[in-house]
Amino acid sequence: NAGVTQTPKFQVLKTGQSMTLQCAQDMNHNSMYWYRQDPGMGLRLIYYSASEGTTDKGEVPNGYNVSRLNKREFSLRLESAAPSQTSVYFCASSEPGWDIQYFGAGTRLSVL
Amino acid sequence: EDQVTQSPEALRLQEGESSSLNCSYTVSGLRGLFWYRQDPGKGPEFLFTLYSAGEEKEKERLKATLTKKESFLHITAPKPEDSATYLCAVQVGGGYNKLIFGAGTRLAVHP
Repeated sequence: NAGVTQTPKFQVLKTGQSMTLQCAQDMNHNSMYWYRQDPGMGLRLIYYSASEGTTDKGEVPNGYNVSRLNKREFSLRLESAAPSQTSVYFCASSEPGWDIQYFGAGTRLSVL
Repeated sequence: EDQVTQSPEALRLQEGESSSLNCSYTVSGLRGLFWYRQDPGKGPEFLFTLYSAGEEKEKERLKATLTKKESFLHITAPKPEDSATYLCAVQVGGGYNKLIFGAGTRLAVHP
């Protein structure tokens, strides 16, 4: 079992460029999440999807969009990257009724 | 405002030197408290969930405890492989599985 797989692992963008971060899980979980992790701060929720076909904003959604492509895949898009979006991005998944969230290895993004 | 604070920010121990990490929280409607371990360059890995004051969970050299205002992660006779960042998160009431994370404690265990 791969668990939660994120691609790419590293990315460097110039200000204004766009990109999509990919996430896939093979645990048949209904719920999926996108977080960002910055030095000295806890993980902060960007968007989540409680189930296939639904998405909702988290704590820091500005500048991001998401797509729940199917039950397995949940992507995060930066339409016009800004230096403030330099961060490590984590995708997670969980099953309703089971509170544990399982995380991917992260995407390290630098916006110059 | 819901808040989770972890202390210390960083901790250096000698192998075999026991200690505790603290996670204090101010939240409304606590549903559960989670401990995760994060190794450099990797995602958080689940360790424990605690749901009620007085509850304790153990795994190898780690023991987590919970009170109404804080949780402790006790590390007994640590080994260098216990070196990692330990994250605390609280689950609050609401329509989804919302977790509020602390900033973590970086633990370094030296031989």
